[in-house]
Amino acid sequence: AQSVTQPDIHITVSEGASLELRCNYSYGATPYLFWYVQSPGQGLQLLLKYFSGDTLVQGIKGFEAEFKRSQSSFNLRKPSVHWSDAAEYFCAVASGALVFGKGTRLSVIA
Amino acid sequence: DADVTQTPRNRITKTGKRIMLECSQTKGHDRMYWYRQDPGLGLRLIYYSFDVKDINKGEISDGYSVSRQAQAKFSLSLESAIPNQTALYFCATSDLSDSYNEQFFGPGTRLTVL
Repeated sequence: AQSVTQPDIHITVSEGASLELRCNYSYGATPYLFWYVQSPGQGLQLLLKYFSGDTLVQGIKGFEAEFKRSQSSFNLRKPSVHWSDAAEYFCAVASGALVFGKGTRLSVIA
Repeated sequence: DADVTQTPRNRITKTGKRIMLECSQTKGHDRMYWYRQDPGLGLRLIYYSFDVKDINKGEISDGYSVSRQAQAKFSLSLESAIPNQTALYFCATSDLSDSYNEQFFGPGTRLTVL
């Protein structure tokens, strides 16, 4: 069965520091991958998506993600984190519906 | 106006009560979904519908039922609510012609069962 693993439940970074959130997937075919962000008390907003082609995809708010088939990974990165990036981040793979990871909560400290 | 709306946004109810959560969309999408979110568990699929005559169970459908009243409306019912159904519920839509199945989410309904 398809699955998504986000190994880090909670990450704390300093404002201005770089960020990498990990995502590993299990899927038999070519995966369609997504990263969503959920700010406190809000719904889900799509950050970026990967379908095919260039393995480095750019998203909104300065985020990017790199698809690595050999590692079954789709890690999310940002070079310099802002306090407003504090939120919960979900990785998902499309399989009919979406299969989500359990999320990584990002805290940003001054 | 939001493309995917959910009503109510917040609801507190008692154990044993019947409750309906409603989802409407103006995106013209054929596919609609209901997910629930629990802390530390991410989002899990309850039911989904690929058109008006199509209803499918998801990962955690027990205790829930759905109705697809029209292309634009997809309701989730809890026939007899229990406390462990306290969660944040999301409706989502996607376009049948989109083979990648990108989904668009509503704002969520926070349900508390006492």
